[in-house]
Amino acid sequence: NAGVMQNPRHLVRRRGQEARLRCSPMKGHSHVYWYRQLPEEGLKFMVYLQKENIIDESGMPKERFSAEFPKEGPSILRIQQVVRGDSAAYFCASSPGLAGVKGADTQYFGPGTRLTVL
Amino acid sequence: GENVEQHPSTLSVQEGDSAVIKCTYSDSASNYFPWYKQELGKGPQLIIDIRSNVGEKKDQRIAVTLNKTAKHFSLHITETQPEDSAVYFCASTGGAAGNKLTFGGGTRVLVKP
Repeated sequence: NAGVMQNPRHLVRRRGQEARLRCSPMKGHSHVYWYRQLPEEGLKFMVYLQKENIIDESGMPKERFSAEFPKEGPSILRIQQVVRGDSAAYFCASSPGLAGVKGADTQYFGPGTRLTVL
Repeated sequence: GENVEQHPSTLSVQEGDSAVIKCTYSDSASNYFPWYKQELGKGPQLIIDIRSNVGEKKDQRIAVTLNKTAKHFSLHITETQPEDSAVYFCASTGGAAGNKLTFGGGTRVLVKP
């Protein structure tokens, strides 16, 4: 049973370019979360999505960042016009999200995408 | 919003000794508390979790305790081994935070052989 998959694992962009990070949740999971980890720091919540819906984007910067989880295909975190401060590890997590089921909210993390902005 | 504090930030123990990491949270409505282990260059790995209706949970050498009144929870690792060396994060969710995890700042554990 494959875990959460993220690609690319490493991404280098120059300032002003766009970064696209992809996340495929575990099989059977319908909830996806994105977190950002700055060097030597903890993880900070960015956005929580279900299929075709953004449930909570309270941690997402208001500009340049967007996320989607389409009906088919992986979840995408997009960062437009990247700046050096966007350099970080971006982690995706997924959970089953089955209402009333024990463990439905347990989040399992992928290996992350390490973004470097030159 | 929810705030999670974690101590210590670094912990060095001799192989075979025990390690204890403590976390406090601010939202009394939080009801789920997972612990993650993160090795260098990898994603966080869930190692144990506890829900608010339970005071203690154990899985082999790892145990977690929860004190809802004091709003703190702790991770205990017994008989530490070199492969336990990693960064450990506590987290909380539920309450006003909904499903999102609020993480502590992490504890870097070094087990010396």
